[in-house]
Amino acid sequence: EVQLVESGGGLVQPGRSLTLSCAGSGFIFDDYAMHWVRQRPGKGLEWVSGITWNSGTIEYADSVKGRFTISRDNAKNSLYLQMNSLRGEDTALYFCVKDTLMDVWGHGTTVTVSS
Amino acid sequence: DIQLTQSPSSLSASVGDRVSITCRASQTINNFLNWYQQTPGKAPKLLIYAASNLQSGVPSRFSGSGSGTDFTLTITSLQPEDFATYYCQQNYNNPQVTFGQGTRLEMK
Repeated sequence: EVQLVESGGGLVQPGRSLTLSCAGSGFIFDDYAMHWVRQRPGKGLEWVSGITWNSGTIEYADSVKGRFTISRDNAKNSLYLQMNSLRGEDTALYFCVKDTLMDVWGHGTTVTVSS
Repeated sequence: DIQLTQSPSSLSASVGDRVSITCRASQTINNFLNWYQQTPGKAPKLLIYAASNLQSGVPSRFSGSGSGTDFTLTITSLQPEDFATYYCQQNYNNPQVTFGQGTRLEMK
């Protein structure tokens, strides 16, 4: 079964850092680009960042550029999102997503930024 | 950056109705346009890829059309499980992606 499982979410104070992880299984991880997409409470989907299969191309939404860093370890079938200088508006459910077709989504991990 | 504008933002319909949702891109994206369905508390689900291709396992009452800047998702004969929020997504500049703001389909 193709599966993505996110972890690492939680409650964090403004200005602090947090790293999200995503473990992929059931597919050839290094065949695909991977993405992080978030959804603020009661709001729509917002693409956060994407990385090609070999990490050769990385893109970020303007809202996180300079604060978030996406990376992957194909040997571990894992995707990461290092989030620095967190703000209240980063509070959201963060999804790990397979491929630019976005045909497989994890269940998400919740990040709450609050003092 | 490429922007996507969906219309309407919300829509009321009844079981058995035919509905259409449109998505307009701020520049041409050829057919790099996908549609997703999200029900409350669940992750989004891919319905249509490359503007008009039905994802495996998706009922044939869903269809997509369009190319360039204007795209449409059509659902014929609405079923109770179709009441959800629908999003378009463009991946013309992979891995940079954009979503539309969403269309909430509600039961009349």
